[in-house]
Amino acid sequence: AQSVTQLDSHVSVSEGTPVLLRCNYSSSYSPSLFWYVQHPNKGLQLLLKYTSAATLVKGINGFEAEFKKSETSFHLTKPSAHMSDAAEYFCVVSPLSGGYNKLIFGAGTRLAVHP
Amino acid sequence: DTGVSQNPRHKITKRGQNVTFRCDPISEHNRLYWYRQTLGQGPEFLTYFQNEAQLEKSRLLSDRFSAERPKGSFSTLEIQRTEQGDSAMYLCASTRDTGELFFGEGSRLTVL
Repeated sequence: AQSVTQLDSHVSVSEGTPVLLRCNYSSSYSPSLFWYVQHPNKGLQLLLKYTSAATLVKGINGFEAEFKKSETSFHLTKPSAHMSDAAEYFCVVSPLSGGYNKLIFGAGTRLAVHP
Repeated sequence: DTGVSQNPRHKITKRGQNVTFRCDPISEHNRLYWYRQTLGQGPEFLTYFQNEAQLEKSRLLSDRFSAERPKGSFSTLEIQRTEQGDSAMYLCASTRDTGELFFGEGSRLTVL
């Protein structure tokens, strides 16, 4: 069975400093992995996806994530936080390699960005 | 607006009442998904449709829950005899085949 564990429920950073949101996954075969963002009163939005191509994945708004099979990790990073990055972030795994079917979400990490 | 539309956005009801949520997917998206998100948790899969066929249901979907997609376009999610534990955000998403899922803004249910 597939699952994801987001290691931090809350992360707080200063504007302009790096962001690191940690995610470990469990999968019996090569998974598809995603990061979604949820702003208040907005729908979930796809930030980036990994589907067994390049291990370093670039997404929207300057975010990127690196797939590390040896560590079963898929951490999300951004070099410089912006106030508008404050939101809930979800690490997600799909049992369908290469696809988006039946996504399994982590519990989420709330990112706060302060001036 | 060509995104996924959900109605109503908020519903407050008394325990024991029935509620129905509607989801209008993006046009020509053949797959439609329902998820439930409780406070402090990530969304959990409930069920999905390919066209009008309901292909999978989670064991989270008790017999008080029923979902339909009668013409392969919009979908409804009905909860009968609501309980306080049903209070959650109900999310709908759509996709064409196994492409990217596009989510609606959700329907928040509060059961008093």
